[in-house]
Amino acid sequence: AQTVTQSQPEMSVQEAETVTLSCTYDTSESDYYLFWYKQPPSRQMILVIRQEAYKQQNATENRFSVNFQKAAKSFSLKISDSQLGDAAMYFCAYSLGIIQGAQKLVFGQGTRLTINP
Amino acid sequence: NAGVTQTPKFRILKIGQSMTLQCTQDMNHNYMYWYRQDPGMGLKLIYYSVGAGITDKGEVPNGYNVSRSTTEDFPLRLELAAPSQTSVYFCASSTRDRGNQPQHFGDGTRLSIL
Repeated sequence: AQTVTQSQPEMSVQEAETVTLSCTYDTSESDYYLFWYKQPPSRQMILVIRQEAYKQQNATENRFSVNFQKAAKSFSLKISDSQLGDAAMYFCAYSLGIIQGAQKLVFGQGTRLTINP
Repeated sequence: NAGVTQTPKFRILKIGQSMTLQCTQDMNHNYMYWYRQDPGMGLKLIYYSVGAGITDKGEVPNGYNVSRSTTEDFPLRLELAAPSQTSVYFCASSTRDRGNQPQHFGDGTRLSIL
């Protein structure tokens, strides 16, 4: 079974600084997708960024970027110019790339990110 | 655009009671999912559906049932509530694709079993 591990239960960063959240996963598949979701205190689950395993180029979305190391099965999230609104729980998630199949997400345990003003 | 709507937002049940958590989406998504999130943990998949009339078990299906009679609705039923089912429940939906489309989540239902 696939597993996702986030080894940092909590992280903190000064406002405007850069922080990196770690994620590793275990799979024997070659075709899969990786995601970072954000969960603020409002409890909503918000997609931050996604990466297709077949793409070598790391995904970027404005201040958010990933470092995808397929051989090492590592998928870290970098947040640049941290803002107070970035404070939240961040979840790494994995799904198989199944044609016309449901996207059964496997989540890590989460990293709580605090932004210090 | 309402997206994914869950009702109720909060509920307290007594052990042994039954209830249905409602979920509806207005995005015409084929795929729908139910997750539970225990305190300090990530989400775990309970059940999912790839279309009306088709459902399948996820990682933690015991104690739950689902049905999918329409594209829009995907209710989750607890038949005999147990304290271990105290959790926050999320419903989500996504389009029919290879798997890279984001799931759209509802706001969650916080359920306490006492």
